[in-house]
Amino acid sequence: DVKVTQSSRYLVKRTGEKVFLECVQDMDHENMFWYRQDPGLGLRLIYFSYDVKMKEKGDIPEGYSVSREKKERFSLILESASTNQTSMYLCASRDPKRDSATNEKLFFGSGTQLSVL
Amino acid sequence: AQSVTQPDIHITVSEGASLELRCNYSYGATPYLFWYVQSPGQGLQLLLKYFSGDTLVQGIKGFEAEFKRSQSSFNLRKPSVHWSDAAEYFCAVEGVRNTGKLIFGQGTTLQVKP
Repeated sequence: DVKVTQSSRYLVKRTGEKVFLECVQDMDHENMFWYRQDPGLGLRLIYFSYDVKMKEKGDIPEGYSVSREKKERFSLILESASTNQTSMYLCASRDPKRDSATNEKLFFGSGTQLSVL
Repeated sequence: AQSVTQPDIHITVSEGASLELRCNYSYGATPYLFWYVQSPGQGLQLLLKYFSGDTLVQGIKGFEAEFKRSQSSFNLRKPSVHWSDAAEYFCAVEGVRNTGKLIFGQGTTLQVKP
């Protein structure tokens, strides 16, 4: 079964710090995604990557950047953390080559709860 | 603009009772629709999806959903709720076909009374 691993379950950082959230998947998926989850807002797409060294902005990219140097790893970077970036961050991956009618789904990690103080 | 609305933020049902979670979407063409469940401390798990064909879709854990184009709805149902169904449920639409980019609703938290 696909495993998407996020390195930290809980993270506490201070305002202004540079923060790295790491995500690794073990099934050679080409596509990877970063979402943030906030109560009452559901999940919102921050950035996604269709393949190594490729990245595209999602719906709320401001204040974030990403890195995808290897296929299995997709990092979310908060250049200067702010309190409004306190949130649950969810990573997901997907294999676009599988038949979309039968296997179109994202595999999610368990999430990183980030608190910025 | 494409969007998903889950009108109920919080629902409480008794164990053994039936359940219906509402989802309305806004999308120009025939949508790809999904329901996910998130148990406390867990990531999201896919319950079911609709792409085309039969508008009544069966999923895991005894859930089903019905796509109604005329009402722009994709409501999730279960005939008899179990205590282990307590979780947060998200409806989503794929914003651009075959990209994996999902637009999620706000989520509905389900509480199950013994």
